[in-house]
Amino acid sequence: EIVLTQSPATLSLSPGERATLSCRASQSVSSYLAWYQQKPGQAPRLLIYDASNRATGIPARFSGSGSGTDFTLTISSLEPEDFAVYYCQQRSNWDTFGQGTKLEIK
Amino acid sequence: QVQLVQSGAEVKKPGASVKVSCKASGYTFTSYGISWVRQAPGQGLEWMGWISAYNGNTNYAQKLQGRVTMTTDTSTSTAYMELRSLRSDDTAVYYCARDFFPYSSGWPNWFDPWGQGTLVTVSS
Repeated sequence: EIVLTQSPATLSLSPGERATLSCRASQSVSSYLAWYQQKPGQAPRLLIYDASNRATGIPARFSGSGSGTDFTLTISSLEPEDFAVYYCQQRSNWDTFGQGTKLEIK
Repeated sequence: QVQLVQSGAEVKKPGASVKVSCKASGYTFTSYGISWVRQAPGQGLEWMGWISAYNGNTNYAQKLQGRVTMTTDTSTSTAYMELRSLRSDDTAVYYCARDFFPYSSGWPNWFDPWGQGTLVTVSS
């Protein structure tokens, strides 16, 4: 099973700041990686697929990069509604999720 | 708009079974696969398996093989997930999620959109 390790576990930032979230795979997943956002009491929402493609309706401040084993989700300028938990997911070999990064207001 | 509406919360005793439904609307049901993902309280996401709504082909997570069955009813555009021999650590919110891309060749692609979730509580 491919293990995805997300860091940091918690990220404390202020609105307007830049957020950088990391996801590292235990073996190469090529570009078969996605990012999801989950707010309390809600289902996850797809943000980024195939490592760098924004899903339908996702604002341009969200961007993804990386390939192989190291991936990054960047939020260029945080809006109040961006504070949530973010998960990465791979589908290269079965489907697994990272443990999540909580983005909280500083 | 595309929507997945799941059945309501369930409380089950250890050893029992639960069957959760996921009714789809707003798209051609048979063109997309459906995955099931669960989330234990305060924990992360766990993929459980996938079913093609086109031909009923399934792929299940290895740790759940033998306990889970996923089916679809194309006449009502509804997907079902049945989990048997329930244990306390099966307590979770269970989500259905549609493939992002249609016509998957036998494996899920990305998950979007998602149902609202169904809380299954296993307790004696």
